Amino acid sequence: AQKITQTQPGMFVQEKEAVTLDCTYDTSDPSYGLFWYKQPSSGEMIFLIYQGSYDQQNATEGRYSLNFQKARKSANLVISASQLGDSAMYFCAMRVSNFGNEKLTFGTGTRLTIIP
Amino acid sequence: DSGVTQTPKHLITATGQRVTLRCSPRSGDLSVYWYQQSLDQGLQFLIQYYNGEERAKGNILERFSAQQFPDLHSELNLSSLELGDSALYFCASSGGQGESRSSYEQYFGPGTRLTVT
Repeated sequence: AQKITQTQPGMFVQEKEAVTLDCTYDTSDPSYGLFWYKQPSSGEMIFLIYQGSYDQQNATEGRYSLNFQKARKSANLVISASQLGDSAMYFCAMRVSNFGNEKLTFGTGTRLTIIP
Repeated sequence: DSGVTQTPKHLITATGQRVTLRCSPRSGDLSVYWYQQSLDQGLQFLIQYYNGEERAKGNILERFSAQQFPDLHSELNLSSLELGDSALYFCASSGGQGESRSSYEQYFGPGTRLTVT
């Protein structure tokens, strides 16, 4: 079974500082992918970044980067130069392909609050 | 804007009733997924369709059913509603099978907030 663990229920960070949101995962499947989603108070789920288990380099998308440490089974999200608009819930998720079954397993989320 | 549309945005109904949630995937995406987000259960996968066929089932109750139509839009039917079914229901889509990384990326719609009274 797959499991995602996010150990930080909430974080407060000063504007313009970098933020690291923790995510550890558990799977015995060698082929998997890791996602980060942002959910602002309005409720929508916004895709941020994706990392495949065989990707050689850490994924980056603008101010977002994924610190992928395969041996430690961690996939932390790093947000550089945080902005007030980054305040939201952040979810880490994992997909494990199983005969075309691409379901995502989500963590419990981290509520990030950016302080002006 | 993810390109995934869901209607309605909000739905208020009574216990015992039946409702239908609708989802249109991003243009070109073959897979549609349904997820439920509730305060006590978090985000949970319900069901996946790929090009009209059911591909995977998660923690979906027998009172719930879904289908994907030839034009690839999908509907989630919830019947005999209970108070505990109140939740945010998301539809997501992706490119389906294939080895390109973009085919794995799931884009979510804005969700339908269901309130059962």
